[in-house]
Amino acid sequence: DVVLTQSPLSLPVTLGQPASISCRSSQSLVHSDGNTYLNWFHQRPGQSPRRLIYKLSKRDSGVPDRFSGSGSGTDFTLTISRVEAEDVGVYYCMQATHWPPITFGQGTRLDIK
Amino acid sequence: EVQLVQSGGGLVQPGGSLRLSCAASGFTFSDYAMNWVRQAPGKGLEWVSGITGSGGSTYYADSVKGRFIISRDNSKNTLFLQLSSLRAEDTAVYYCADSSWHSWGQGTLVTVSS
Repeated sequence: DVVLTQSPLSLPVTLGQPASISCRSSQSLVHSDGNTYLNWFHQRPGQSPRRLIYKLSKRDSGVPDRFSGSGSGTDFTLTISRVEAEDVGVYYCMQATHWPPITFGQGTRLDIK
Repeated sequence: EVQLVQSGGGLVQPGGSLRLSCAASGFTFSDYAMNWVRQAPGKGLEWVSGITGSGGSTYYADSVKGRFIISRDNSKNTLFLQLSSLRAEDTAVYYCADSSWHSWGQGTLVTVSS
């Protein structure tokens, strides 16, 4: 099974400052079709996860452009260029390249300093 | 607008059974594989099971294999998860999600306790 390791697990950020979350995979997430099926989700307390980024770097409709996904192979990053109050919550990476099983990272909790 | 509306869940004793439902609308349900994901209290997300659009193939996490059954009724645009031989560690909020992972249900809490 593919293991996804996120860091940091807790991320206090000052409003307006950038933030980055790392997601490292135990094996390459490049699919035989050339795509990298690495997604990023944001979850607020009591809510369902919301997909932000799919296929490594494609931003979902309605997601602010301050969110971006990057990386390759086994090393991936979610970057928020300027953190806003609504960005608090837990962020998860997820891989769907090698499944079953689908696997998620442990989650990174972002809060405001 | 795509909607996934969940029902079922509740309190069940260890060893008991429960069925979860996920009613889909706003898209051609049979064209999409579907999944169940769960989240234990205060914990992260765990994939539980997946099923192809036709229902012909099903997949399970090792933690639930042999105890849970995923199914779908494409005539009713509904996804199911039958939970059996439930254990305390199955206590979680269960979510349905489409195979694009864009649309998720609202979640339903399953509590396994005597």
